[in-house]
Amino acid sequence: DARVTQTPRHKVTEMGQEVTMRCQPILGHNTVFWYRQTMMQGLELLAYFRNRAPLDDSGMPKDRFSAEMPDATLATLKIQPSEPRDSAVYFCASGLEGQGNEKLFFGSGTQLSVL
Amino acid sequence: GQQLNQSPQSMFIQEGEDVSMNCTSSSIFNTWLWYKQDPGEGPVLLIALYKAGELTSNGRLTAQFGITRKDSFLNISASIPSDVGIYFCAGVRRNQGGKLIFGQGTELSVKP
Repeated sequence: DARVTQTPRHKVTEMGQEVTMRCQPILGHNTVFWYRQTMMQGLELLAYFRNRAPLDDSGMPKDRFSAEMPDATLATLKIQPSEPRDSAVYFCASGLEGQGNEKLFFGSGTQLSVL
Repeated sequence: GQQLNQSPQSMFIQEGEDVSMNCTSSSIFNTWLWYKQDPGEGPVLLIALYKAGELTSNGRLTAQFGITRKDSFLNISASIPSDVGIYFCAGVRRNQGGKLIFGQGTELSVKP
């Protein structure tokens, strides 16, 4: 089965440390999304890419978060420096946009705890 | 950010009962999607709807795209214990690059 792969599944770090989360989208998909899930805010869109180009990262705190797609098989989300309020589950999702049948497939997420 | 209004927030039902949940918005969407999320996992796509009025089934699940394009509902018939989880609706607007806007989720508990 084709699936979105995220690593690591769990990350515990101390405040101030850099955190890097990785995502391998489904082969052939042209959009990649990063979502953050918390109890209070639900699923929030942080950033998304189409054909590796960033389209919208308005949901992301610019001073500490950065998202990139070095190639079509890898998307990264970095937090530097991390803060306790960044603790959440971060999901990557990929899709094939432009054919009128948009749908996104999600990875299993990275559960981040910043102490 | 803007979210869809999903209700109810939670449901506690007996195995075998039917379940209904819905999402509403003040604006139009071109695509409605329904996802289920199990603990420790990402949302899994259940049903996708692309046309106003469309009614689509997936096993015991049935979802409809509202005629006004501002709402959608999901029904689960004859619930079973493995239906437990959080169900999310999500909408996509035209020319938004496939960006999903999510409802707050409906947490379903099924008593055997």
